[in-house]
Amino acid sequence: DGGITQSPKYLFRKEGQNVTLSCEQNLNHDAMYWYRQDPGQGLRLIYYSQIVNDFQKGDIAEGYSVSREKKESFPLTVTSAQKNPTAFYLCASSRGPPNEQFFGPGTRLTVL
Amino acid sequence: GQQLNQSPQSMFIQEGEDVSMNCTSSSIFNTWLWYKQDPGEGPVLLIALYKAGELTSNGRLTAQFGITRKDSFLNISASIPSDVGIYFCAGYPGGSQGNLIFGKGTKLSVKP
Repeated sequence: DGGITQSPKYLFRKEGQNVTLSCEQNLNHDAMYWYRQDPGQGLRLIYYSQIVNDFQKGDIAEGYSVSREKKESFPLTVTSAQKNPTAFYLCASSRGPPNEQFFGPGTRLTVL
Repeated sequence: GQQLNQSPQSMFIQEGEDVSMNCTSSSIFNTWLWYKQDPGEGPVLLIALYKAGELTSNGRLTAQFGITRKDSFLNISASIPSDVGIYFCAGYPGGSQGNLIFGKGTKLSVKP
């Protein structure tokens, strides 16, 4: 089955710790994206990558970092510099604009 | 930046009712996408629209790409309880290979 997987589903972190969220896709898509969703809010773009070994900042990149070493994988690190990291994180992939994006199931990160 | 105004923000449905929601922008869009998100899950693509005036159906759902290219509409006919959730519109702005812009969502709930 083709799709996007994110792990873990739930993640708890102590303040001051970095944490990495996983995103893998087997859709052979070139582009991958990370979004943040807060309660009652729309989706805000954190980082995106349109090709391996290249990525760009989105609207709210501060306190986050990414890598794109393989086409299938686009991990997101939430660093201790992110002031308010508790949120629902969504990964997506597409063949690139203006094609539709497909989303993973999300990771809920809670900072204790 | 560009914004999408999605309305209504929320609505209550009774089983069997038809539902309408829309998304508007002050600038033109090349692509319109409609997603549904269940609580704690990633958004699922419902319908993609690529041409002004296009009318596309997916079961009981029908979406239209406005002829001005500045709006899109989603209708759900004969609603059922599993239609509850949050519906997001999204679009690619015209004239660029930019990122997907999302509306803030329409939350569908069941009438008490």
